[in-house]
Amino acid sequence: DIVMTQSPDSLALSLGERATINCKSSHSLLSSSNSRNNLTWYQQKLGQPPKVLIYWASNRESGVPDRFRGSGSGTDFTLTINSLQAEDVAVYYCQQYYSTPRTFGQGTRVEIK
Amino acid sequence: QVQLQESGPGLVKPSGTLSLTCDVSGGSISSNNWWIWVRQTPQKGLEWIGQIYHSGSTDYNPSLGGRVIIAIDKPQNQFSLTLTSVTAADTAVYYCARDSTSGSYFDSWGQGTLVTVSS
Repeated sequence: DIVMTQSPDSLALSLGERATINCKSSHSLLSSSNSRNNLTWYQQKLGQPPKVLIYWASNRESGVPDRFRGSGSGTDFTLTINSLQAEDVAVYYCQQYYSTPRTFGQGTRVEIK
Repeated sequence: QVQLQESGPGLVKPSGTLSLTCDVSGGSISSNNWWIWVRQTPQKGLEWIGQIYHSGSTDYNPSLGGRVIIAIDKPQNQFSLTLTSVTAADTAVYYCARDSTSGSYFDSWGQGTLVTVSS
């Protein structure tokens, strides 16, 4: 199985600050068939299912604010939230789509200081 | 917009069988998508259980040791999860979801249902 490791486990920032969440995979997620990185970022708010933010490592899902940005390639990926808003309080997960079983990172909790 | 809704018993006895159904509305279960089961616990986080295509093809997480069956019911536009020989470690919130057509992410999720394994 591909192991996904996120850092940090939690983050407390002031409104308007930048949040940076890292995700490292135990195997490259770069697909040779389509040259895309099979890495997705989800946001999960309390009591709700996860919601997709970013797919193929850097493609923002329709309707997701442009303060959310995904980057990285191969085994190292980053989710950046520019200018943190109160509604961004949530747990963020990365997930690999390179192979089954699909696996998730352990999550990063983002809070407002 | 497709919507998914899980249903089933919230309490299962140890060594028993967990059975859940996911009703799909606003779209066809015979569309070009895989249909997914995921569970979530505080201890292990999000865990992919397995998936099914409308052809009946399935793919399961080996970590569940062959205890899983996912089936599809086209006339009812639903799919199901059966997990046998359950223990307390199977206590979780169970979600059904849909894989996107591009196969890149889970684009629709049910609200989730808590299943507790306890005598």
